[in-house]
Amino acid sequence: QKEVEQDPGPLSVPEGAIVSLNCTYSNSAFQYFMWYRQYSRKGPELLMYTYSSGNKEDGRFTAQVDKSSKYISLFIRDSQPSDSATYLCAMSTMNRDDKIIFGKGTRLHILP
Amino acid sequence: EPEVTQTPSHQVTQMGQEVILRCVPISNHLYFYWYRQILGQKVEFLVSFYNNEISEKSEIFDDQFSVERPDGSNFTLKIRSTKLEDSAMYFCASTESSGGAGELFFGEGSRLTVL
Repeated sequence: QKEVEQDPGPLSVPEGAIVSLNCTYSNSAFQYFMWYRQYSRKGPELLMYTYSSGNKEDGRFTAQVDKSSKYISLFIRDSQPSDSATYLCAMSTMNRDDKIIFGKGTRLHILP
Repeated sequence: EPEVTQTPSHQVTQMGQEVILRCVPISNHLYFYWYRQILGQKVEFLVSFYNNEISEKSEIFDDQFSVERPDGSNFTLKIRSTKLEDSAMYFCASTESSGGAGELFFGEGSRLTVL
């Protein structure tokens, strides 16, 4: 089983729709959960960052972590064409110097 | 806003040649990373660097790869003898804190094409 699994998409939704992006993972030691956004031919940029289980909201974005199911989600409300990008989930343990493991990324297209 | 800068943005090289990719991390950051992304594939960890030494490296980071912080600002990735399969986007990243405790700031990447 891969350490982090993410459906690569592409996912196409109409403008204004709610988008749901998900990842599953196998390592129960992961404590930090992140969502990065990557535009074409650019480096990833951090969108949301959560520690352990629970929800976190930032504007139109909500990140959810369910550690019991080893499942994380990113919701985008009122999606905009500018949200079209690849969304990467990423996670890490609390161990010093431990690396961040990325999912493969989901390509999202918001249709105007 | 402080940013991680990488040069060159694109390098084309012949198989077997040495390549050096350069990065200037954010100035107050202590932890430095190289990641690789083959076209259409996931972002893969190569190596982490702290206190002038490698903290961790992946299976990809074999003897052909090396990293260096030659002065107080640059962080370089050297590939000694490039192979076709080294063609990828290489991202440098830096953070104030280790592991998942700190936000990882990525550069825009250096695209390496090995012919």
